[in-house]
Amino acid sequence: SQQGEEDPQALSIQEGENATMNCSYKTSINNLQWYRQNSGRGLVHLILIRSNEREKHSGRLRVTLDTSKKSSSLLITASRAADTASYFCAPITGNQFYFGTGTSLTVIP
Amino acid sequence: GAGVSQSPRYKVAKRGQDVALRCDPISGHVSLFWYQQALGQGPEFLTYFQNEAQLDKSGLPSDRFFAERPEGSVSTLKIQRTQQEDSAVYLCASSLGASEQFFGPGTRLTVL
Repeated sequence: SQQGEEDPQALSIQEGENATMNCSYKTSINNLQWYRQNSGRGLVHLILIRSNEREKHSGRLRVTLDTSKKSSSLLITASRAADTASYFCAPITGNQFYFGTGTSLTVIP
Repeated sequence: GAGVSQSPRYKVAKRGQDVALRCDPISGHVSLFWYQQALGQGPEFLTYFQNEAQLDKSGLPSDRFFAERPEGSVSTLKIQRTQQEDSAVYLCASSLGASEQFFGPGTRLTVL
């Protein structure tokens, strides 16, 4: 399956620290997207990285993509309590999105 | 409105009842997706529309699940003869194409 698999499943850090989440997938992709979901809410798009890109930044977010290893990482720098949420990667082939089980991030104030 | 809306936000059904969940996508978005999200899990793809055409329904778990988008805008996900295992949050998303998806808040279905 093309489903992304996030690692770790859960992560707890102190406010101000950096948080790194990883994603692995199995087949070739057009692009890969990261989403965030607060408890009881819908998903919010964070960042899209195309298959020919290696790194992308958006504010405190940094995403890397290694197509040879079929993996991606999401780094959140200087974390805040408001970053507490679940984070999902979605490897994209065509129009189909296959989300993994996510990384549950807790940022302790 | 500016975003994807879904109704109802919460639905409680007795086992065996039929339910209909509505999604209003962002105006002009060609693509519309339905997902099922169980507690503690990621969203699982159910079906995909491009305009009124249902291009992929491979994720629908059984023939009790049916989705339509007759005019290429609003979509309805219908579940017939609901079972307890159907309890989940049903998310709808729309997009302009193979780009970011904009998600609605979801409908939480509880089957008693």
